Amino acid sequence: DSGVTQTPKHLITATGQRVTLRCSPRSGDLSVYWYQQSLDQGLQFLIQYYNGEERAKGNILERFSAQQFPDLHSELNLSSLELGDSALYFCASSVMSGGLTDTQYFGPGTRLTVL
Amino acid sequence: AQKITQTQPGMFVQEKEAVTLDCTYDTSDPSYGLFWYKQPSSGEMIFLIYQGSYDQQNATEGRYSLNFQKARKSANLVISASQLGDSAMYFCAMLAYNTDKLIFGTGTRLQVFP
Repeated sequence: DSGVTQTPKHLITATGQRVTLRCSPRSGDLSVYWYQQSLDQGLQFLIQYYNGEERAKGNILERFSAQQFPDLHSELNLSSLELGDSALYFCASSVMSGGLTDTQYFGPGTRLTVL
Repeated sequence: AQKITQTQPGMFVQEKEAVTLDCTYDTSDPSYGLFWYKQPSSGEMIFLIYQGSYDQQNATEGRYSLNFQKARKSANLVISASQLGDSAMYFCAMLAYNTDKLIFGTGTRLQVFP
């Protein structure tokens, strides 16, 4: 158990809908990262927050947004869902931001299926 | 641009034997970190081992060791005394200096047989 929690574990929804994925980082970690794992794209970085502020952005679609709250939990919002958004979404957390020894610990993931 | 290459889509190893999973990386940054993660069929990503670009010695964590050859830009994972529970996907990843995102390889599926 990494100490990172994600809810829900599974999510099945229809095209055009909006969903929210939730992540709680490990105790003491200030950074939260979101990654998407799909069969065709592999593991891709989406976005990072550090202590409530957006820190880095990757291949995140405009239909997707995220935020980190004062208690450091984070939410990833996915809207106007398409079939291609079906994937495993991971949240990871680390103590700080960057730093070559700043290991990212991953949550169990949320498996999103868009029908 | 940074890139991680894992050329072995699948590997087989017999229980109690050692196995090496290959990873090569490409970066122009002098400072970087290299990570290995394990993803069992249940889906979670488990951190295994870390190697810094300036570390003089190869990293070890229990049965896991990292064969770091900086000149060759390789960071191979060695699993000693394989166990059935080691069957999983293994991902090599890199964190370059001044970036916060992990760059992952495509993974190697390891199957341990009795």
